[in-house]
Amino acid sequence: DIVMTQTPLSSPVTLGQPASISCRSSQSLVHSDGNTYLSWLQQRPGQPPRLLIYKISDRFSGVPDRFSGSGAGTDFTLKISRVEAEDVGVYYCMQATRFPLTFGQGTKVEIK
Amino acid sequence: EVQLVESGGGLVQPGGSLKLSCAASGFTFSGAAMHWVRQASGKGLEWVGRIRTKPNSYATTYAASVQGRFTISRDDSQNTAYLQMNSLKTEDTAVYYCTRALYNWNDYWGQGTLVAVSS
Repeated sequence: DIVMTQTPLSSPVTLGQPASISCRSSQSLVHSDGNTYLSWLQQRPGQPPRLLIYKISDRFSGVPDRFSGSGAGTDFTLKISRVEAEDVGVYYCMQATRFPLTFGQGTKVEIK
Repeated sequence: EVQLVESGGGLVQPGGSLKLSCAASGFTFSGAAMHWVRQASGKGLEWVGRIRTKPNSYATTYAASVQGRFTISRDDSQNTAYLQMNSLKTEDTAVYYCTRALYNWNDYWGQGTLVAVSS
């Protein structure tokens, strides 16, 4: 199975300041079709997960442009340019290149 | 508006069975693969399994932890996906989410249904 490792596991951030989360996979996430199926999900307290980013850097419908994704191969990053109060929650990276689909452990973003 | 609504959760004894449903609306259900993902209380996300579409023979794939105990099915005429869970163990206790995958990403998620396995 592909192991997804996120850092940090906790990220206290000041409102209006940037935040960054890293995700590393134990194998390349490049699919045989040439795409890399790395997604980022946000889970606010008491809510189901919500898709933010897919295929490394494509922002899902309705996702604010302060969220951006980057990376390649085995190293990926989610950046929030200016953290807002509604961004509090747990963020997960997820790979769908190979079965079984696997998730990172989650990174908790909270306001300082 | 895409909506996924899970139901069927509850309390069941170890060794028992439960069948979850995921009612879909707002999109062409028959054209989407459907996944189940679970989350134990205070823990991370764990993928359970997936069912593909009719052109892909309704192929299913499962996590090793549920292989042979859980079965995913779908009824395209009812816009509903199912998760049949047998031989339940205490470690299957979790909130179960259904999620849509038109391509290789899970774009919409339901609110989840809680399954508690306890004597």
